[in-house]
Amino acid sequence: DAMVIQNPRYQVTQFGKPVTLSCSQTLNHNVMYWYQQKSSQAPKLLFHYYDKDFNNEADTPDNFQSRRPNTSFCFLDIRSPGLGDAAMYLCATSRDWGLARNEQFFGPGTRLTVL
Amino acid sequence: KNEVEQSPQNLTAQEGEFITINCSYSVGISALHWLQQHPGGGIVSLFMLSSGKKKHGRLIATINIQEKHSSLHITASHPRDSAVYICAVRSDRDDKIIFGKGTRLHILP
Repeated sequence: DAMVIQNPRYQVTQFGKPVTLSCSQTLNHNVMYWYQQKSSQAPKLLFHYYDKDFNNEADTPDNFQSRRPNTSFCFLDIRSPGLGDAAMYLCATSRDWGLARNEQFFGPGTRLTVL
Repeated sequence: KNEVEQSPQNLTAQEGEFITINCSYSVGISALHWLQQHPGGGIVSLFMLSSGKKKHGRLIATINIQEKHSSLHITASHPRDSAVYICAVRSDRDDKIIFGKGTRLHILP
């Protein structure tokens, strides 16, 4: 059974055209994360939600926004994609935050291409 | 210098070989994760460790907290084990996850 679902798996957009990536979870976890992973690099945390509380990483560009309308869904909005934003975007969830044994569950990722 | 270093970066081996991937970290941690990422991007959590050793089938993970080092071992490797293996630690200072750059493993039939 799918637990963390990302749609679409592949997304192509044009330079400067807004794009939204979607993540949903069936685990009823409190925390949802968005990571950006460029080719041959480690995933980089963009932001996370603890319930409805949004937590932005200091170096996440303003071009990236997120919405969490309910527990199950979280969206990543890229307002004006640049060529440098082409990457794999990974969504993850965890039951809670700040617990030593807190495991993250990852979605399959959305690969974004910017033309 | 990265806070989480993995070695080797790339590893090619013959089917059946015993595989070891190493992870060293320089920060205080509350937990260490080994993740597997297949072509196409999906990440699967293999182990979460805070001490000692864990075993799941052909996979074994160990951690030495004093030496700040962990190893992932694969016994009787198989071509389907080909993937990128990522070490990630949870910082005990701010609870954030710090990822290594991954080890790309290729098992030849």
